[in-house]
Amino acid sequence: KNQVEQSPQSLIILEGKNCTLQCNYTVSPFSNLRWYKQDTGRGPVSLTIMTFSENTKSNGRYTATLDADTKQSSLHITASQLSDSASYICVVSENSWGKLQFGAGTQVVVTP
Amino acid sequence: EPEVTQTPSHQVTQMGQEVILRCVPISNHLYFYWYRQILGQKVEFLVSFYNNEISEKSEIFDDQFSVERPDGSNFTLKIRSTKLEDSAMYFCASSEETPVGEQYFGPGTRLTVT
Repeated sequence: KNQVEQSPQSLIILEGKNCTLQCNYTVSPFSNLRWYKQDTGRGPVSLTIMTFSENTKSNGRYTATLDADTKQSSLHITASQLSDSASYICVVSENSWGKLQFGAGTQVVVTP
Repeated sequence: EPEVTQTPSHQVTQMGQEVILRCVPISNHLYFYWYRQILGQKVEFLVSFYNNEISEKSEIFDDQFSVERPDGSNFTLKIRSTKLEDSAMYFCASSEETPVGEQYFGPGTRLTVT
């Protein structure tokens, strides 16, 4: 069964600190991997999209990595801000029609 | 910046009633999707739509569900006879040229079935 597993489930970090979120997937076939940010009660917003040939992609203070051989990805948040408090969701596209498999998300809380 | 819009933001309906959730995708987008998120759970794919027909659907998308693009701007999800377990946030999304590209999500419609 195609799965996207994320860890940790939640974390609390101090404003200004860095953190790294993990994603493991067993989705096959694999088209691309995305990281989304979802604020409570809102729709997901795309942060990065990576195909299997890409190892890293950055979007401002967000840097995603992908190891397609081990089927692992990470999202690194640098110098966290209060507005980074949200759920970060790892999403894998399993085919050319854009069907997305979502992870359960990591809930990040940034405290002053 | 163009965005996907959804109406209503919250819909309350009685079990067994029909509901129609509406979405206006970004105007030059060609691929459209519906997802749902039950409270506290992960987002789940329902259906993708391209060229006026369903391109893929999940096992959740049974005969109670249907989608339509009635005109050049709206994309709708109809649930014929709602069940309590249909209570969820429903997200519409659209993408431009290729479905493997960026998908832009709307703000969602919270459906509550009583």
